[in-house]
Amino acid sequence: EAQVTQNPRYLITVTGKKLTVTCSQNMNHEYMSWYRQDPGLGLRQIYYSMNVEVTDKGDVPEGYKVSRKEKRNFPLILESPSPNQTSLYFCASSPLAGGGELFFGEGSRLTVL
Amino acid sequence: GQQLNQSPQSMFIQEGEDVSMNCTSSSIFNTWLWYKQEPGEGPVLLIALYKAGELTSNGRLTAQFGITRKDSFLNISASIPSDVGIYFCAGQLRLRQGGKLIFGQGTELSVKP
Repeated sequence: EAQVTQNPRYLITVTGKKLTVTCSQNMNHEYMSWYRQDPGLGLRQIYYSMNVEVTDKGDVPEGYKVSRKEKRNFPLILESPSPNQTSLYFCASSPLAGGGELFFGEGSRLTVL
Repeated sequence: GQQLNQSPQSMFIQEGEDVSMNCTSSSIFNTWLWYKQEPGEGPVLLIALYKAGELTSNGRLTAQFGITRKDSFLNISASIPSDVGIYFCAGQLRLRQGGKLIFGQGTELSVKP
């Protein structure tokens, strides 16, 4: 089954404790992206990657890092999480080079205390 | 940053009624997409539009790419309870600007049986 898989789905952590949210897709898509969803703000792009070893900032990259060492994986790293990073995070991939027609994962709900 | 204005923010309707929602932008897009997000899941693509003036249907859903390229509309006919969810529009900027999708704030739809 074609899918985007994120882990963990739920996480409660404390300020400053480094964490990684993994994302993997099995559709051989070159384009991958991370979004955060907050009430009233819709989906905002954090980082995206148009291919292996190619990453770029989205609209809200502060406090986040990503890497793209393999086509299928695109982990999101929070080096020192803060409470304002409490949010619902979505990883997505696309068969289109420009990133349209995204396939989303089920989301990772992160709470930073 | 670039924003899309999506309206209405929420709708409470009776089963069987038709639904209309729209997105507007101050900038031109070359792609419009409509997604639906059900509780606890990631957004799923409903309709993709690639040409100004294009009108596309997917079952009871119909979406249009505005002729000015600055807006898009989604209509749902004869709503049913499973239409409940958050509907997002997304506009894609031209590829030279990074291939980013810009999402609207979402329209939360509630359908009363």
